[in-house]
Amino acid sequence: GAGVSQTPSNKVTEKGKYVELRCDPISGHTALYWYRQSLGQGPEFLIYFQGTGAADDSGLPNDRFFAVRPEGSVSTLKIQRTERGDSAVYLCASSFRANTGELFFGEGSRLTVL
Amino acid sequence: QQQVKQSPQSLIVQKGGISIINCAYENTAFDYFPWYQQFPGKGPALLIAIRPDVSEKKEGRFTISFNKSAKQFSLHIMDSQPGDSATYFCAASMEGSQGNLIFGKGTKLSVKP
Repeated sequence: GAGVSQTPSNKVTEKGKYVELRCDPISGHTALYWYRQSLGQGPEFLIYFQGTGAADDSGLPNDRFFAVRPEGSVSTLKIQRTERGDSAVYLCASSFRANTGELFFGEGSRLTVL
Repeated sequence: QQQVKQSPQSLIVQKGGISIINCAYENTAFDYFPWYQQFPGKGPALLIAIRPDVSEKKEGRFTISFNKSAKQFSLHIMDSQPGDSATYFCAASMEGSQGNLIFGKGTKLSVKP
């Protein structure tokens, strides 16, 4: 079946603007994760959902970042008042159940804040 | 504080050689240690993973060696191939929190034909 799908693949925005990044997980996967990967670095955990609820949002850097998963499938990562330091690849992953090992990652959404 | 330290940053190996990447961790509460492989423009993909109750795990050409007392683990790629050229990340997570992975900074592997 299809893998994790992320849109847009590339997003260029201006400092101060609002951005939404979408993730469509693998069908049947109940857990969904957001990570951020800066150039030359490993992915950095942001938040994960089990079903509709955020089970762990300890990685969100500040209150400009917010994520939702209203129906337990598609998730949206929302970034308010973007800053140049938010430029990175935002990776989404899903797994059959939370905390069961293998995460399946999407190809990411590359965000550039000018 | 970097919780998972990975070395080397880059590695060049001849085709057929052995590639070795090392990771060290500080937090003794970590109990799950995966390795992910990432090609340019793609997301990371799980390669192999180990838990601290075993010292070694092998899957095909890929082997993880785990030293609990030293808090170190390594990835060995036997008979390295040009198609193995990618960035490799070690990671660690705590019991009950496997989705919250702490990644190393990555090793860029180039296998020369």
